[in-house]
Amino acid sequence: GAVVSQHPSWVICKSGTSVKIECRSLDFQATTMFWYRQFPKQSLMLMATSNEGSKATYEQGVEKDKFLINHASLTLSTLTVTSAHPEDSSFYICSARDLAGGYGYTFGSGTRLTVV
Amino acid sequence: EDQVTQSPEALRLQEGESSSLNCSYTVSGLRGLFWYRQDPGKGPEFLFTLYSAGEEKEKERLKATLTKKESFLHITAPKPEDSATYLCAVLGNFNKFYFGSGTKLNVKP
Repeated sequence: GAVVSQHPSWVICKSGTSVKIECRSLDFQATTMFWYRQFPKQSLMLMATSNEGSKATYEQGVEKDKFLINHASLTLSTLTVTSAHPEDSSFYICSARDLAGGYGYTFGSGTRLTVV
Repeated sequence: EDQVTQSPEALRLQEGESSSLNCSYTVSGLRGLFWYRQDPGKGPEFLFTLYSAGEEKEKERLKATLTKKESFLHITAPKPEDSATYLCAVLGNFNKFYFGSGTKLNVKP
């Protein structure tokens, strides 16, 4: 089946630094990937839609300059949290859909970000 | 307003005690309803996709059904390993996903 790999699975960083999270579709090509954020005991909130070769589409209230998204190839999208602050600490999850394989939207294993 | 509501928020069952989880939605242009299982600290794991009212899908002890307004995830004779949070998501217009807040299921041996 379709597999989405996310790396790292957890990261701790200092306030003011930037952190990059990678999302890869391992056995299929994804022209579109999605980035979600999940706070404890809450559901997933869509942050942005990543489009291969073009600019990402951000949801209302999500800062484009803070959450930089790059989708440089059909199998890789990256989310960079710039100048991280403790309130950015959260669980970040990416998703992609294997259209050719007929699978539903597949999610990565998530990245736990802690900003200290 | 497009939204997805899941109930109950939490559910405790004894092993073997069957029950159902509910997902009601008000999303325009329904293109699919998805059920996922999420274990703590992990990403959601795909279970089912339902596309039209009346459709049903089964996988082991789980069965998902869909009407025009809601979906049910029926769990028959659950086991402790079925304990997880079950998420419902609806795909609407413009390929936008709307997630419910989830039902946390705890099955006791």
